[in-house]
Amino acid sequence: EDQVTQSPEALRLQEGESSSLNCSYTVSGLRGLFWYRQDPGKGPEFLFTLYSAGEEKEKERLKATLTKKESFLHITAPKPEDSATYLCAVQAVGDDKIIFGKGTRLHILP
Amino acid sequence: NAGVTQTPKFRVLKTGQSMTLLCAQDMNHEYMYWYRQDPGMGLRLIHYSVGEGTTAKGEVPDGYNVSRLKKQNFLLGLESAAPSQTSVYFCASSYHGTSLAKNIQYFGAGTRLSVL
Repeated sequence: EDQVTQSPEALRLQEGESSSLNCSYTVSGLRGLFWYRQDPGKGPEFLFTLYSAGEEKEKERLKATLTKKESFLHITAPKPEDSATYLCAVQAVGDDKIIFGKGTRLHILP
Repeated sequence: NAGVTQTPKFRVLKTGQSMTLLCAQDMNHEYMYWYRQDPGMGLRLIHYSVGEGTTAKGEVPDGYNVSRLKKQNFLLGLESAAPSQTSVYFCASSYHGTSLAKNIQYFGAGTRLSVL
């Protein structure tokens, strides 16, 4: 069964304190992995898509990486406005759907 | 360009009442999805559609029905609401194609439903 596990469930950091969020996945054949950001009371907003192991994508203070079993979302020198829930999702080859993890709630303290 | 619009934003129902949630997208997307999001459970797929006139079951379809009569609209119905259906409901839409970039899902702002 395809599965996505995110860790930690919640993370509190001081402003400027870099860290990483983990997304472990089990899928029969990976077509792609997605990262989304969700602010309270809003719908998820697309951040990155990764296709193959070794691939990296960057956007401002965020960098997403992918291996054959997991993906990391690295946050460098975060700011309070980076506080949000970060969701990871995977799509299997031949599947119309994507499967979401439960998310990591990130709180950046000023 | 509104993207994905969900109506209503909030609703309170009594057990046994029925209602329909409307999702409209203006991006000419083929695929549309309905999810529910509950604390500690993440996003779970209820039903989805791969084109006008088609629907398919997701992970948690029981107690819900859907219709896709027009390409731009996807309706989610609750025939007899139960307290277990208290949740935040999200609609999403996407293109579909060989390019993975076309499979990015774009979400609405959500409908917060309470069933008493």
